[in-house]
Amino acid sequence: GAGVSQSPSNKVTEKGKDVELRCDPISGHTALYWYRQSLGQGLEFLIYFQGNSAPDKSGLPSDRFSAERTGGSVSTLTIQRTQQEDSAVYLCASRSGSSYNEQFFGPGTRLTVL
Amino acid sequence: QQPVQSPQAVILREGEDAVINCSSSKALYSVHWYRQKHGEAPVFLMILLKGGEQKGHEKISASFNEKKQQSSLYLTASQLSYSGTYFCGTGPDSNYQLIWGAGTKLIIKP
Repeated sequence: GAGVSQSPSNKVTEKGKDVELRCDPISGHTALYWYRQSLGQGLEFLIYFQGNSAPDKSGLPSDRFSAERTGGSVSTLTIQRTQQEDSAVYLCASRSGSSYNEQFFGPGTRLTVL
Repeated sequence: QQPVQSPQAVILREGEDAVINCSSSKALYSVHWYRQKHGEAPVFLMILLKGGEQKGHEKISASFNEKKQQSSLYLTASQLSYSGTYFCGTGPDSNYQLIWGAGTKLIIKP
């Protein structure tokens, strides 16, 4: 009965390094979202996975960002050659199949790029 | 394209009422409301759909004016636990994408 989990909870990295952020959605949820939230700001959509369909990558800010979802469950967001402007909280959310159901958010990963 | 939320911030005393608005420049299919407390993940409050269907928590009420392309969230007899930032997410069509507002910060004082 666990909720959405994300790891790590905090990540400090140096500019130019690659980072991987992990999201474990609620079991059985077919939809998975990644968002970015800068300090005091709203939610910025990054990418959306739904079942076996091709992901909607329209929110990824640059080609340094990529994400995959293996076996329809766990997802990894990868940021290559991190920049200071990548510093933010990265939130993952999952949802069951119905479009009317709410998104359940994970606790987020706070990324700090020095 | 981002929905506009108003007010940006509001300070209330416990027991007072508040209305938070969310307006879109595009026709809407759905409006979703979430609350986020500082340092925590957003939590679902309510979904309102074109045609009148709603799904949400009992103590939360909201309206969805399709013609005006706006939604309002009503917080009555506010409690300290209502403090947080309220986000609306709008769905311009029947897909699963939401466009999020910038949030309304609500502070409840005893």
